[in-house]
Amino acid sequence: DTGVSQNPRHKITKRGQNVTFRCDPISEHNRLYWYRQTLGQGPEFLTYFQNEAQLEKSRLLSDRFSAERPKGSFSTLEIQRTEQGDSAMYLCASSSGTPNSPLHFGNGTRLTVT
Amino acid sequence: AQSVAQPEDQVNVAEGNPLTVKCTYSVSGNPYLFWYVQYPNRGLQFLLKYITGDNLVKGSYGFEAEFNKSQTSFHLKKPSALVSDSALYFCAGGGATNKLIFGTGTLLAVQP
Repeated sequence: DTGVSQNPRHKITKRGQNVTFRCDPISEHNRLYWYRQTLGQGPEFLTYFQNEAQLEKSRLLSDRFSAERPKGSFSTLEIQRTEQGDSAMYLCASSSGTPNSPLHFGNGTRLTVT
Repeated sequence: AQSVAQPEDQVNVAEGNPLTVKCTYSVSGNPYLFWYVQYPNRGLQFLLKYITGDNLVKGSYGFEAEFNKSQTSFHLKKPSALVSDSALYFCAGGGATNKLIFGTGTLLAVQP
């Protein structure tokens, strides 16, 4: 399967700890997106990359959040000093970058902050 | 500001009956609209998209969507529902950056 891969699938952490998630996009896709989804809501845009360049960040993305895509392939999303409000499903998606090509989503990382 | 609305939290339909899941949009310029489906503990799967052209768009698993510019709607339809269609459906709108804005989702429940 050459779809979008996210690891880990689940992460439970204590408040105040740092966590890092990884996303491996579809190999030929140059755009990569991070979304957050809470129960009963649609996915909310966090940030996106064109190759290794981070082109846009949502105001939802506080200073405790940082995302990287160092070689234009996989990406990491780090949350520092986690808070209970960070508990959510974190979704990664990739696209080919051609105008309005669909986003292909991974299965997400579910974060629980206790 | 760009937005997408799904007015129904849940839609119930009997198997074999036609289904409609509603979506309205507010975007500047030409709208780019998508439908996705989400099964429990899974990511979103692309169903279909509207860019320009025919107002009736056909997608995966027998789904189609009707774009109506005057009503700013993009309703998802299927002529005959299956129990396996039961899932969470999201409408989304986007622009040139492919940054999609999602609706709040509609839970489709198909009863046998």
